[in-house]
Amino acid sequence: KNEVEQSPQNLTAQEGEFITINCSYSVGISALHWLQQHPGGGIVSLFMLSSGKKKHGRLIATINIQEKHSSLHITASHPRDSAVYICAVRSETSGSRLTFGEGTQLTVNP
Amino acid sequence: EAGVAQSPRYKIIEKRQSVAFWCNPISGHATLYWYQQILGQGPKLLIQFQNNGVVDDSQLPKDRFSAERLKGVDSTLKIQPAKLEDSAVYLCASSRDWYTQYFGPGTRLTVL
Repeated sequence: KNEVEQSPQNLTAQEGEFITINCSYSVGISALHWLQQHPGGGIVSLFMLSSGKKKHGRLIATINIQEKHSSLHITASHPRDSAVYICAVRSETSGSRLTFGEGTQLTVNP
Repeated sequence: EAGVAQSPRYKIIEKRQSVAFWCNPISGHATLYWYQQILGQGPKLLIQFQNNGVVDDSQLPKDRFSAERLKGVDSTLKIQPAKLEDSAVYLCASSRDWYTQYFGPGTRLTVL
């Protein structure tokens, strides 16, 4: 079992829909990251969380440390949001090393 | 500021050949990471440098992979000899601190 599990693996939505991507992890962490990867490989950091909730534009990320669970929400989704969304955690004992989930492929249709 | 640069962007080789990838991190970033990302999976850390010293290479297949960062700036990752299962995107990232890593565009390697 991977230390970081994401669901769903693939998600198709219509433009305007509210989207939720989930991430569960099995280790104690010092931080959790949400990353966006577009075709061609480039990865962009969206959020770093250690508690609570963060919002940036149409993106909202939440984390529940007790339940070892985080969610990434996209409001009013748009075709340009189509990408792979990756959850990564920094465990309490791994220093700066990140452990990545396998990613969620999101496709938003017009 | 300029981002993380990687070259080449694409490489196709036959198995048992050698290949090298180059990474130039963001100026001033002391930490440099090499990741391997197999299709459909998340990135896996191969090696982490702090300046020109190795911090973590526990997941680097040392019988065929090597990496160096001689002057604490740019870095090369080499595979010799390549196997079919090495087909992947090789990502380089750099960071100034432990909080945010900045990723390069990656090198897509195909081993035939």
